[in-house]
Amino acid sequence: AQKVTQAQTEISVVEKEDVTLDCVYETRDTTYYLFWYKQPPSGELVFLIRRNSFDEQNEISGRYSWNFQKSTSSFNFTITASQVVDSAVYFCALSEASGNTPLVFGKGTRLSVIA
Amino acid sequence: NAGVTQTPKFQVLKTGQSMTLQCAQDMNHNSMYWYRQDPGMGLRLIYYSASEGTTDKGEVPNGYNVSRLNKREFSLRLESAAPSQTSVYFCASSENFLGGQGYNYGYTFGSGTRLTVV
Repeated sequence: AQKVTQAQTEISVVEKEDVTLDCVYETRDTTYYLFWYKQPPSGELVFLIRRNSFDEQNEISGRYSWNFQKSTSSFNFTITASQVVDSAVYFCALSEASGNTPLVFGKGTRLSVIA
Repeated sequence: NAGVTQTPKFQVLKTGQSMTLQCAQDMNHNSMYWYRQDPGMGLRLIYYSASEGTTDKGEVPNGYNVSRLNKREFSLRLESAAPSQTSVYFCASSENFLGGQGYNYGYTFGSGTRLTVV
């Protein structure tokens, strides 16, 4: 069975601090895909990244970076120099096939960035 | 390029009433999904349809029915609404994706339906 655990329910940081959101997953498949989504207060789900299980390279996109470690089944997300606009709920998700199976979501981490 | 369209965006029902949430996608995706989002629970799968003509239960199917009307449309029906079904409902669709990121993100979500059952 697939499972995604986001142990941090809520995090509060002061603007310009760095913050890391943790994601631990469980799957029996050797090929799988990991995702991060952002849900701002407006409610829509915004895709941030998809990572394949066979590609353990870390990813950096502007202030965002992702650390994928198969050895610990983790896919952590770091925001550098956080901004108020980063305040949102962030979801980590897993799919066990290339696009035709449901995403399994973690419960989300609510990030509040205080000015 | 509308993506995934859900209607309505908001709805208030009385206990026992029925309603259908509509979802349509214009990306020719094979798979479609219904999720519900409750505070602190993330998104939980209600039903999904891997292809036209097939539907399968997800984690929380009780109290719901679905219809994959055609490749574009996947509706969710509440036959007798209960307060426990107060939630935000998201429809999504997906297609095969392989390899790296590219422009093919795989899963596309609608903007959600906020349902309150009183």
